Amino acid sequence: QTVVTQEPSLTVSPGGTVTLTCASSTGAVTSGNYPNWFQQKPGQAPRSLIYSTNNKHSWTPARFSGSLLGGKAALTLSGVQPEDEADYYCLLYYGGAQFVFFGGGTKLTVL
Amino acid sequence: QVQLQESGPGLVKASQTLSLTCTVSGGSITSGGYYWSWIRQHPGKGLEWIGYIYFTESTYYNPSLKSRVNISVNTSKNQFSLKLTSVTAADTAVYYCARGIYYYDSGSFLYGMDVWGQGTTVTVSS
Repeated sequence: QTVVTQEPSLTVSPGGTVTLTCASSTGAVTSGNYPNWFQQKPGQAPRSLIYSTNNKHSWTPARFSGSLLGGKAALTLSGVQPEDEADYYCLLYYGGAQFVFFGGGTKLTVL
Repeated sequence: QVQLQESGPGLVKASQTLSLTCTVSGGSITSGGYYWSWIRQHPGKGLEWIGYIYFTESTYYNPSLKSRVNISVNTSKNQFSLKLTSVTAADTAVYYCARGIYYYDSGSFLYGMDVWGQGTTVTVSS
């Protein structure tokens, strides 16, 4: 079974920068895994922020960016705001987009 | 603006079949470039992909659930549905439907899940 791994928790100060990562048990994450990133706040449905590595939706704040970094997918938040405190999930596609697996999520605390 | 809404029983007895429907409004379920997904979230846990279906009715399922899952499309009602058989307490979760997008741009495909329903809680009782 494929396992997608994220940092369980991270803490960042308001205005700071933080990078969340997403690793695959099958090897290096590539653009062919079409990495996606989602934000989920308590009691809410997940909201898509980034798709296919670094593509933003019209609603994605400019301070969020996606990339590939050292064999992992990465989500960087620059100029963190208090409202960015949330759980963040990555999603990777496998087998030519036939299978999808979520990471375990990163709880981001803004303190 | 496309919206998705899950519906179905909030309580299912163990060993029975969980059936949920996702109604798509503001767009057609048969539009190209989209696929339709089910995802669940166990209480206090992370997200788990269940499966998805393309408008062509090609389906792809999580290998760990494949033997119990069926996803189908009802184009006349602009809905897609999830059936999960032989449920146990481990299937208690919030179930989300979501729209997936895919398109070709600058020499490569792009994939994502852009619109999600609000989720519906399903409890399996013994």
